[in-house]
Amino acid sequence: DSGVTQTPKHLITATGQRVTLRCSPRSGDLSVYWYQQSLDQGLQFLIQYYNGEERAKGNILERFSAQQFPDLHSELNLSSLELGDSALYFCASSVVAGGPSSTDTQYFGPGTRLTVL
Amino acid sequence: AQSVTQLGSHVSVSEGALVLLRCNYSSSVPPYLFWYVQYPNQGLQLLLKYTTGATLVKGINGFEAEFKKSETSFHLTKPSAHMSDAAEYFCAVSKSGGSNYKLTFGKGTLLTVNP
Repeated sequence: DSGVTQTPKHLITATGQRVTLRCSPRSGDLSVYWYQQSLDQGLQFLIQYYNGEERAKGNILERFSAQQFPDLHSELNLSSLELGDSALYFCASSVVAGGPSSTDTQYFGPGTRLTVL
Repeated sequence: AQSVTQLGSHVSVSEGALVLLRCNYSSSVPPYLFWYVQYPNQGLQLLLKYTTGATLVKGINGFEAEFKKSETSFHLTKPSAHMSDAAEYFCAVSKSGGSNYKLTFGKGTLLTVNP
């Protein structure tokens, strides 16, 4: 158990709909990352938040958005869903120390499997 | 930009045999390197990581990896495979320094262990 929790475990919805995925980081971790795992694209970084602020963006679609709340949990919102959005969405958390010699390790949650029909 | 290439999408070994999973990376700055394992229907678990210092890194479950800068490689090995090692393995790279440690993953290698 990594200490990162994600809800729900499974989500089945229809095209055009909107869903929200939730992530609670490990206690004390300030940074949250979102990744998408699909058969054709593999594991791809979507977005990072650090202490409530967006820190980095990856291959995240405009239909997708995220935020990190004051209690440090994060939500990933997916809207106008398409069949191709079906994937496993992972959240990871870490303690980001910052600075040129800092190191960090990301701990992954169990994921949310999204199926768009 | 950083990238990771995992040679062999599927590796099959016999129980007790050597496990060798290959990973080559590309990075314009000194990299941090990771191996993660994913068991069926589960999240990713960190096996080991290289940041600085000793180039031979030991991880959990008897796995180790060696960072070879000249070969831009970070291959994962285990002397003797166990049935419980059957899983998908991902090599990943991130940049050293700063406060953005986004991981760039390889496409994964599925390890099958035969009795």
